[in-house]
Amino acid sequence: AQSVTQLDSHVSVSEGTPVLLRCNYSSSYSPSLFWYVQHPNKGLQLLLKYTSAATLVKGINGFEAEFKKSETSFHLTKPSAHMSDAAEYFCVVSERGKGNDMRFGAGTRLTVKP
Amino acid sequence: DAGITQSPRYKITETGRQVTLMCHQTWSHSYMFWYRQDLGHGLRLIYYSAAADITDKGEVPDGYVVSRSKTENFPLTLESATRSQTSVYFCASRNRLNQPQHFGDGTRLSIL
Repeated sequence: AQSVTQLDSHVSVSEGTPVLLRCNYSSSYSPSLFWYVQHPNKGLQLLLKYTSAATLVKGINGFEAEFKKSETSFHLTKPSAHMSDAAEYFCVVSERGKGNDMRFGAGTRLTVKP
Repeated sequence: DAGITQSPRYKITETGRQVTLMCHQTWSHSYMFWYRQDLGHGLRLIYYSAAADITDKGEVPDGYVVSRSKTENFPLTLESATRSQTSVYFCASRNRLNQPQHFGDGTRLSIL
């Protein structure tokens, strides 16, 4: 069965500095991977997805993630943090062919300091 | 407007009462899901549906009932609410397997 681990429950960065949110996964098959963002009192919004095409995936708002099969990782990065990036981020793994197939990480809270 | 909407956004009720949370999507997505989000537990799947009249249990189904008579609606009912069901509930939908889910803005439910 697939699972996902977000290695940091909380990350704090200064505005204008790089962001790195780490995610490791385990999957028996070729997984699909997603990053979602959740702002306060809102639902989860899709940032980007990996579905076995290019290993470097670009998403919205300047975020990108790289799928590394050898390291079973799918870390989320952004070159320069903005105050509006402060939110909760979720890494999600999905295996093919199953209805109840999405597994959510516990989330990483990103704080951006001025 | 296209999208997925949940109602009500906020609800306060008492233990033992029945309460129904509504979810409506305009995309005609096949799959719909109900999650609850609690501190320390992240998102947990309650029920999901692969199509109209097809539903299945998720990780935490006890105390909840769902139905899906129409593709676009997926109501969640708490038959006899308990304090442990105080949570934020999210509905989601997706078109087919392996595609991302799209989430509603959630219902914050408090049970006194």
